[in-house]
Amino acid sequence: AQSVTQLGSHVSVSEGALVLLRCNYSSSVPPYLFWYVQYPNQGLQLLLKYTTGATLVKGINGFEAEFKKSETSFHLTKPSAHMSDAAEYFCAVSTLTSGGSYIPTFGRGTSLIVHP
Amino acid sequence: NAGVMQNPRHLVRRRGQEARLRCSPMKGHSHVYWYRQLPEEGLKFMVYLQKENIIDESGMPKERFSAEFPKEGPSILRIQQVVRGDSAAYFCASSHPGTANSPLHFGNGTRLTVT
Repeated sequence: AQSVTQLGSHVSVSEGALVLLRCNYSSSVPPYLFWYVQYPNQGLQLLLKYTTGATLVKGINGFEAEFKKSETSFHLTKPSAHMSDAAEYFCAVSTLTSGGSYIPTFGRGTSLIVHP
Repeated sequence: NAGVMQNPRHLVRRRGQEARLRCSPMKGHSHVYWYRQLPEEGLKFMVYLQKENIIDESGMPKERFSAEFPKEGPSILRIQQVVRGDSAAYFCASSHPGTANSPLHFGNGTRLTVT
């Protein structure tokens, strides 16, 4: 069964610093991977997704993620953090459920804190 | 902007009452998913529906919870005889006919508080 692990429930950076949010997955088949962002009191919004092809995926708001099969990782990065990036970030992998459907399974989330 | 609409945003129920959560999918989307979010636990899948059909309910508790997506009108998540442990944020999402790489579009959630 596929699963997602996000290392670090909280990540704190200074404005202008590199953002690195970690995600590792377990999957017995080529995975479909996603990053979502959640702002307070809102639903999740898609940042980017990996399906096939280029392993470096660019998303919205300057974020990108690299699929590394050998490391089973899909870490999210941004070169320079803005205050507006403060939010909860979720990594997800499409998982085959016991009901026979592919459903996104989410990690526990990482809260990004940006200091001025 | 015809995004995913959920109502109510906040719902307070006493133990033993019923809670009904509504979700209208994004225009053009025929598939609806329900997730529950608890603090520090991320989102947990509950049920996946298309109009008039439950596709996958492997994440639904066996008792008290039910979901429907009728031919006309919104999808409904129904919780009977609520208990304090049902307090959570419930999110609905929609997509085009589901494939494994279809991203989900989420509503802003319904925050259920059971007193």
